[in-house]
Amino acid sequence: DAGITQSPRYKITETGRQVTLMCHQTWSHSYMFWYRQDLGHGLRLIYYSAAADITDKGEVPDGYVVSRSKTENFPLTLESATRSQTSVYFCASLQGTDTQYFGPGTRLTVL
Amino acid sequence: AQKVTQAQTEISVVEKEDVTLDCVYETRDTTYYLFWYKQPPSGELVFLIRRNSFDEQNEISGRYSWNFQKSTSSFNFTITASQVVDSAVYFCALSEAGRGSTLGRLYFGRGTQLTVWP
Repeated sequence: DAGITQSPRYKITETGRQVTLMCHQTWSHSYMFWYRQDLGHGLRLIYYSAAADITDKGEVPDGYVVSRSKTENFPLTLESATRSQTSVYFCASLQGTDTQYFGPGTRLTVL
Repeated sequence: AQKVTQAQTEISVVEKEDVTLDCVYETRDTTYYLFWYKQPPSGELVFLIRRNSFDEQNEISGRYSWNFQKSTSSFNFTITASQVVDSAVYFCALSEAGRGSTLGRLYFGRGTQLTVWP
């Protein structure tokens, strides 16, 4: 089915471990985004990508790394997870100025 | 400073009541887009509506209606005859399209938790 998927949907990890959250879209949209959702903050942009091999920081990029070697994939890596990175992570994609569509989210808990 | 403000953190209504969710935004761009998303208890984000800054016409879709007023920088959302299934967190968001803006980037409000009681 076409759309945007995220994996895993749930992840528990420990402080200091590396974690990678995957995002895949089948629309060939140029733009992709990673947001985190925390109570009281709404959604905040972590990183975004305008095309393959083009990425840039958003509002809260510290502690995260992204790559985009293929248009359809936009993985987000926490190099050394911290408790403050416990959150729900949403990936989204966009073509042009059209509507941004979101993946189902990944709930990450860092112990 | 917040670009999108949803002053109502929580709203509770009884079924069949009308309810309005407020959204105030701030931008210097003349071209921008406003959105509402619904997040039900299951957690996904459901797109509801997108308006561009040049279209101030109000919109109605079934029990949902949106009032866009540039003069007050507001984009309010009304649910008529609310139902239990409307219980969710509702987010208002802004996307700027001016020079220097990040195309497609959404600035979200903090959300309004709507609870509709039977």
